[in-house]
Amino acid sequence: NAGVMQNPRHLVRRRGQEARLRCSPMKGHSHVYWYRQLPEEGLKFMVYLQKENIIDESGMPKERFSAEFPKEGPSILRIQQVVRGDSAAYFCASSPQKGTARGTEAFFGQGTRLTVV
Amino acid sequence: KNEVEQSPQNLTAQEGEFITINCSYSVGISALHWLQQHPGGGIVSLFMLSSGKKKHGRLIATINIQEKHSSLHITASHPRDSAVYICAVRLTGGGADGLTFGKGTHLIIQP
Repeated sequence: NAGVMQNPRHLVRRRGQEARLRCSPMKGHSHVYWYRQLPEEGLKFMVYLQKENIIDESGMPKERFSAEFPKEGPSILRIQQVVRGDSAAYFCASSPQKGTARGTEAFFGQGTRLTVV
Repeated sequence: KNEVEQSPQNLTAQEGEFITINCSYSVGISALHWLQQHPGGGIVSLFMLSSGKKKHGRLIATINIQEKHSSLHITASHPRDSAVYICAVRLTGGGADGLTFGKGTHLIIQP
């Protein structure tokens, strides 16, 4: 049973390009969370998705960032027109059920380290 | 003021020492997580607690709900325990559905 898989592990983009980060949750998990870790800062929640639905995107920047979790395939975090400040580690976590009410354990991926040059 | 505060920020100790990392939070929570992150590496979940105490190998985690405080202990520390240890809480009532994190404790165990 593979864990949460993120790819790519490292991604380099020039300013203005698009970045696509992929997350395949653990088998049987239908809840996905994306977190961002800026250099020298703690992790911050970005977005929570279930299959085909965005449940909570209160942590997402209002512009250039979007996320989806289609019925088939991985969850995608998309950053358009990247800027240097987007350079960070982006982590995905999955869980089998909604976490807020029941304190469900979340399983993290290895992260994607985005560098904008 | 952050909702989750960890102390110390940095800790260097000798191999074999007993290690304690503290986490205080100021909000209502449904669960508290202790996570481990190695440099350049992914995040591993060590414990999830909603009350009491849990033990796994040389690691022990405790939580006091009334005091809004949790501790992570490492017994017989080893250089491979060197990592960042992160406390995270899942809030009750409103707010984001994801975890809220402390800034982490950088632990170095010297041989």
